[in-house]
Amino acid sequence: EIVLTQSPASLSLSPGERATLSCRASQSVSTYVAWYQQKPGQAPRLLIYDASKRATGIPARFSGSGSGTDFTLTISSLEPEDFAVYYCQQRTQWLSFGGGTKVEIQ
Amino acid sequence: QVRLVESGPGLVKPSDTLTLTCGVSGGSISGTQWWTWVRQPPEKGLEWIGDIYHSGNADYNPSLRSRVTISVDKSKSQFSLQLTSVTAADTAVYYCATSADLRKYFHLWGQGTLVIVSS
Repeated sequence: EIVLTQSPASLSLSPGERATLSCRASQSVSTYVAWYQQKPGQAPRLLIYDASKRATGIPARFSGSGSGTDFTLTISSLEPEDFAVYYCQQRTQWLSFGGGTKVEIQ
Repeated sequence: QVRLVESGPGLVKPSDTLTLTCGVSGGSISGTQWWTWVRQPPEKGLEWIGDIYHSGNADYNPSLRSRVTISVDKSKSQFSLQLTSVTAADTAVYYCATSADLRKYFHLWGQGTLVIVSS
């Protein structure tokens, strides 16, 4: 089983600041990683797939990077609507999600 | 525009079988894509349950495999989840979702349905 560990568990930032979220896999997952955003009461929304490709309609301020076991989601300048919980997901071996990082307004 | 809608009972008794259906509208369930179930216990993270291709080929989370069956009914354009021997730990919002192609990234989700396991 591949375990994804996200850090930090929460992040307190102000609008306009840069957010850097980490996802570490227990073994190599190549670049088969996605990132999702989830707001309260809503289903997850796909942001990034294959580690660095933006999904349709996702703003350019969202970017992903990494390969192997270490991955990063960066939000270059936080907008008010970006405060949410973010999950990473791997599809190399079965499928699993990380525990999430909550991005809160400072 | 493909739309997914989950349906099923909101309350299930312990030891019973939970059955949910995901209706697919606005597109074909026989396309080149996976159809998946994901759940989220209250105030917790996401857990992949399993997914199915229109051919009937299914993959399951190893931790749930002994209790899960996912099936597809192309004539009704829907796929279903059965989870047997439920306990309070199975209380969660259950989402159905689909991928855009054969890569298991889920770009379209249903609204989710809350299932509570309680007597």
